[in-house]
Amino acid sequence: TQLLEQSPQFLSIQEGENLTVYCNSSSVFSSLQWYRQEPGEGPVLLVTVVTGGEVKKLKRLTFQFGDARKDSSLHITAAQPGDTGLYLCAGGGSNYKLTFGKGTLLTVNP
Amino acid sequence: GAGVSQSPRYKVTKRGQDVALRCDPISGHVSLYWYRQALGQGPEFLTYFNYEAQQDKSGLPNDRFSAERPEGSISTLTIQRTEQRDSAMYRCASSLQTRTEQFFGPGTRLTVL
Repeated sequence: TQLLEQSPQFLSIQEGENLTVYCNSSSVFSSLQWYRQEPGEGPVLLVTVVTGGEVKKLKRLTFQFGDARKDSSLHITAAQPGDTGLYLCAGGGSNYKLTFGKGTLLTVNP
Repeated sequence: GAGVSQSPRYKVTKRGQDVALRCDPISGHVSLYWYRQALGQGPEFLTYFNYEAQQDKSGLPNDRFSAERPEGSISTLTIQRTEQRDSAMYRCASSLQTRTEQFFGPGTRLTVL
C-alpha cells in the first residue's frame, strides 16, 4: 500500500510570512499532484510534477519533486489570507489511481 | 461551462436505509471517479469508470456499496443498509480522459444516524 505523509498537519501563520509544507512517501510515484481545498468545496488541482528534481512555480507558490520521486514540497512566499485552505498532495502511479495524503490545513491570519 | 455537480449536497438517513448519491460529470468527460473523504483526511479512492464500464471497484469497502454509470455520463453510488461508519463526504471527480486532470465535485455529506 502506497502512503503519503504530509507535514505539518496544521499550520497557522501571519500574513506576509513564508512557509513550507512537505509530502513524503516510501514509494516511488510517476507523478505527484498538489491540490488546494476550500471549505465546502472539492479539491482543485494546483500543479502536477512528473520529473525527479523538477521545480515548478505558480506565482508565490513553488513546488518541488524529490530526485527519487518519493517526496515533494510546497513553499509559499509572503502568504496571504486567500491562501488559507487544505493543501493535499496526491501520488499517481502508472494508471489513473491517485493516493492522497491527509493534507495540511493552513490558516493565514491578517 | 458547468463543473461536476453532485446531489443531494446533504443526506441524513437512518441506519439500515439505502441511499443513492448522484454525480453529473463535466460534459464530454470520459472518466469518472468516486472518492470518500473523512473529516480532516484526504480523499480515498472508491471506484473508477471509463465511459460506462466500471474498470476498478477495488476501493469499495464492502458489498453494500455499488456504483453504476449506465450511459457513460451520470453515475450513481448506492449504499445499501447504511451503517453509522458510512458517514462521510462522498466526492465524485471526472476527467477528459484517463490520467488527465481530475475535476472534483462539491460532494455529498452523508450522515447516518
